[in-house]
Amino acid sequence: QKEVEQDPGPLSVPEGAIVSLNCTYSNSAFQYFMWYRQYSRKGPELLMYTYSSGNKEDGRFTAQVDKSSKYISLFIRDSQPSDSATYLCAMSRNSGNTPLVFGKGTRLSVIA
Amino acid sequence: EAGVAQSPRYKIIEKRQSVAFWCNPISGHATLYWYQQILGQGPKLLIQFQNNGVVDDSQLPKDRFSAERLKGVDSTLKIQPAKLEDSAVYLCASSSIGTDSSYNSPLHFGNGTRLTVT
Repeated sequence: QKEVEQDPGPLSVPEGAIVSLNCTYSNSAFQYFMWYRQYSRKGPELLMYTYSSGNKEDGRFTAQVDKSSKYISLFIRDSQPSDSATYLCAMSRNSGNTPLVFGKGTRLSVIA
Repeated sequence: EAGVAQSPRYKIIEKRQSVAFWCNPISGHATLYWYQQILGQGPKLLIQFQNNGVVDDSQLPKDRFSAERLKGVDSTLKIQPAKLEDSAVYLCASSSIGTDSSYNSPLHFGNGTRLTVT
């Protein structure tokens, strides 16, 4: 079993839809959880950064962490064509980012 | 704030040749990482530096890969000799250290070098 599992998609939704992206993990020592967005031929850019369980909201984006289920989610409200990208979940045992373990990424297309 | 700079953007070589990638991190960032991202996969850590010392190189194939970070700023990653399975995007990232030395800020990535080995 891989440490971090993420459905690679692709996921295609109409503009304005609510998008739900998810990852599961097996290592209960993970404490820090991140979502990165990666546009084609670009490096990943940090979207959300959370510690332990709970929710965090930033604009149209909400990150949820359920450590009891080893499950994290990213919700995108009112999705836009500019949200079309690959979304990578990542996690680490400590705040030192060592090592940061990534999921495979989910490719999202938002259709206008 | 200038981002993480990497060069070249693209490189095509034949197997058994050597190649080098260069990275300039964000100014003041003490920690520098090299990741390998194979098509359809998430990035995988190859090596982590803090200043000019190696923190983690457990996943670096040391028989063919080497990396250095002279003077704790720029870094180079070298592959010699290259294999077909080394075709990937090589990403450099950097982060800063907080007031608690065990804390690093989230990673900032460059746009990577896309390597094709034929």
